[in-house]
Amino acid sequence: SYVLTQPPSVSVAPGQTARITCGGSDIGSKSVHWYQQKPGQAPVLVVYDDNDRPSGIPERFSGSNSGNTATLTISRVEAGDEADFYCQVWDHNSDHVVFGGGTKLTVL
Amino acid sequence: EVQLVESGGGLVQPGGSLRLSCAASGFTFSSSWMSWVRQAPGKGLEWVAKINQDESEVKYVDSVKGRFTISRDNAENSLYLQMNSLRAEDTAVYYCASFPLYYFAYWGQGTLVTVSS
Repeated sequence: SYVLTQPPSVSVAPGQTARITCGGSDIGSKSVHWYQQKPGQAPVLVVYDDNDRPSGIPERFSGSNSGNTATLTISRVEAGDEADFYCQVWDHNSDHVVFGGGTKLTVL
Repeated sequence: EVQLVESGGGLVQPGGSLRLSCAASGFTFSSSWMSWVRQAPGKGLEWVAKINQDESEVKYVDSVKGRFTISRDNAENSLYLQMNSLRAEDTAVYYCASFPLYYFAYWGQGTLVTVSS
C-alpha cells in the first residue's frame, strides 16, 4: 500500500516561513491535498491539487509537488496557524485514500 | 453555507453495532461523492469508506471491510455508516466529508464512537 511520510513536528517563529514536507514514492505524479486541524476541531482543506487554495484560505498557504516530495509552505506565519497538518493523496492502484501521519506546527 | 452534521455515536460493547448518520445541506448532495474519515484519540486521520452518487461504487479501508457498510439516501440528503462487529480499535471520532475530486472539501464536526466493555 502507498505510504506518505511527514515529519512529526515543525517549529517556526512568527513572521517566518514554515515548510512541511510529505514524502512518497513518485508523489510528483499524484495530486496532493493538505488539511489543517486545530485542537478539538474538524480538519479544514487548505490546499488541493498540489497548489490550489479553496476560497477563504489566505494566500500565505501554498503548495508544491515534485519527485518524491510535496511541500506545504506557510509564509508570514501567525500564532493562529498553530495546528496539525495532514497531506493526502488518492492511490489509483488500490483506489484507496491515503493520509500522511500528520505534522504538528508550533509557532514559537 | 455547506453543513454536515453527524450523529449516532456513543458507547458500545465490543462485538456490538452502531449506525452513524450525516445530514447534509448547502450543496447538491445527490451529485456528490461522500466519505467517512475517522481519527482515533490522539492519532492521525484515517479514511474509512467512500460512496458515489447512486451507490453503485463503494470502497472501504481493509480494516473495516465486511464489518462496515456505507450508504446514502439522496431524497433525505443523508449519509450513513452501519458499523457491525465493533472492536476496541474502532474507537474514534468519525467525520462525514464531501469528496468531490479525490479530496475532502467539507467536513462535519464529527461524532465519537467508543468501543469498550
